[in-house]
Amino acid sequence: SQQGEEDPQALSIQEGENATMNCSYKTSINNLQWYRQNSGRGLVHLILIRSNEREKHSGRLRVTLDTSKKSSSLLITASRAADTASYFCATDAPGTYKYIFGTGTRLKVLA
Amino acid sequence: GAGVSQSPSNKVTEKGKDVELRCDPISGHTALYWYRQSLGQGLEFLIYFQGNSAPDKSGLPSDRFSAERTGGSVSTLTIQRTQQEDSAVYLCASSFLREGRGGELFFGEGSRLTVL
Repeated sequence: SQQGEEDPQALSIQEGENATMNCSYKTSINNLQWYRQNSGRGLVHLILIRSNEREKHSGRLRVTLDTSKKSSSLLITASRAADTASYFCATDAPGTYKYIFGTGTRLKVLA
Repeated sequence: GAGVSQSPSNKVTEKGKDVELRCDPISGHTALYWYRQSLGQGLEFLIYFQGNSAPDKSGLPSDRFSAERTGGSVSTLTIQRTQQEDSAVYLCASSFLREGRGGELFFGEGSRLTVL
């Protein structure tokens, strides 16, 4: 199965601290994306990194990709209470547009 | 529309009944996806469409589940003879496939199905 796995499953930090989440996957990929989900409904896209890229930044977000280890990390710097959510990675394999999501990390940022 | 629209937002049904869930993707988006999410769990892939065809139906849990997409736009997910284990939030997403490359998925707010 291509499904990714995030770790940790849950993370609790203080406001202002950095949060790091990791995603591992099993097969080669075209793209890896990170999404955020509040309250168990719709997901919001955060960032997309292609298989030939190693690092991307967007505001307080930094994503790295190591295709040799089949892993990615999402770093949220200077976290805020509003960052409290579940975070998922999603990957698609070459030759397909089928995105498989990981198991998610539940982040709680304490004010 | 401005975003992906799903209906109904909530559906309560009795075991054994059929249900239809509808997804209106963003206009012009060529790809459409269905996922299922049980309480506190990750997203389970069900099916995706490129245009009106479904290259991958491997995620459909059983032959009680079917989906179609017409006119390259609206999609319907049908669950026949619902079972209690079908209770979940069903999420739809659409994407514009550009130059053969995958891209960002835009999600609807989901349809919460409860089977009594």
